[in-house]
Parts: sequence; C-alpha cells; structure tokens
Amino acid sequence: GAGVSQSPRYKVAKRGQDVALRCDPISGHVSLFWYQQALGQGPEFLTYFQNEAQLDKSGLPSDRFFAERPEGSVSTLKIQRTQQEDSAVYLCASSLARVGLRKDTEAFFGQGTRLTVV
Amino acid sequence: QQQVKQSPQSLIVQKGGISIINCAYENTAFDYFPWYQQFPGKGPALLIAIRPDVSEKKEGRFTISFNKSAKQFSLHIMDSQPGDSATYFCAARTVFQGGKLIFGQGTELSVKP
Repeated sequence: GAGVSQSPRYKVAKRGQDVALRCDPISGHVSLFWYQQALGQGPEFLTYFQNEAQLDKSGLPSDRFFAERPEGSVSTLKIQRTQQEDSAVYLCASSLARVGLRKDTEAFFGQGTRLTVV
Repeated sequence: QQQVKQSPQSLIVQKGGISIINCAYENTAFDYFPWYQQFPGKGPALLIAIRPDVSEKKEGRFTISFNKSAKQFSLHIMDSQPGDSATYFCAARTVFQGGKLIFGQGTELSVKP
C-alpha cells in the first residue's frame, strides 16, 4: 500500500477484554513505532522495532501491553485486560531510517485506531 | 516528564494573518525537530522539519525558526488560510536507538475567513 495502514479504525472493548491492534507499515520500512494519543494531547511513545527486533519498549505503560513484529513487517499491539484509562488513539508510524543512517528520514503515521473501553 | 513544551494551546487567526506557534525543549540529545499537522480523525503528517545546525528553514508559507542556545523553535504560517485549520504538534527526535519522537502538547489553530 501507499501508506501506513491500521486496523481496526475503531474498537470498543468492555473493561477486562483483550484487544489486538494491527499495523501494516510502508513496504521496506525498517523502523516501526507505536504511539498512544490521549484526547487533546500529543502522541506519546510506546515502543520501537527495527525489523523484527523490539529495541525500545520503555513507553509501554504496564505489563498488560505487548507488541510484536515477528517477520519485520506487520506489527500487532496487544492490550490485555483493558481498563478505562487505556482509551486513546493508538498510532503506528514507520520510516526507512535505521540506526546511524537516519539523517532527515521522515516517519509516516497511520490514521490510528481509536480504542474506547467501556 | 515533559521534555517538549508547546504554546499556545489554541490560536485563532484571521485569513491572511500570521500564525505563530512556539516550542521549547529541555534535553540536548535531540537531532531533528519536525512539525506535524493533524486533521480530525487522521494521523499526524509531516509539515516541515529542521536540523539543529540550521537557524531557519522555509518551505512555501511555512517557516521554522530555531534557536539552539535558547533551546527554542517556532513555526510561522504566513498568509494563513482556512484550510490550515488543524492541530499542530512540534516534536523532537531522540539521538538514540531508532529516534523516537517526543511531541509537544499541540496547538489547535483556527483560521477565520
């Protein structure tokens, strides 16, 4: 595809339910990021992959959050036992950049998945 | 801990006017400073970006001014148009690992016809 694709666009989950959010990055992009955007706030970093390796997961708010990118392309963000404070837009971004060769490479964002926990 | 602070939170400008959004950062381990534009229901899209060894960058109606010693940078939108109405985020990219972005809180710009 031409851009970063995320699915589903909207997800309503009952409190305690597990959810899985999918990200299809731009083909060939090495780096993949997940961000969480609360209503009226800027995106906040969750985790980073270079190919299939998860190199930084310092932003994951709890052990209920888990991300994977097993073949270095599609990524899934899983949230277990969802809580109301997990309600947010989850954004995925990808870029060509790799460590040491970043320069001015741009990060392209998907449209996000809006998660509402009720 | 907020490392990028953005102001104002909201801004109303008349068509044809200049919109100015300011950001300040607290960490020197940043190597790239992009501005993103976000429309409702959409993801952020890169508008313009600057590296810290440059003091100003202009692309069309959009200009970034960068003051490295003050750790401040700003976005100027000249001849603002109603189509520019959106939320704008400044960001700073970390030097380490893949270069995660630290975003400001956002500025909701409304350009009145």
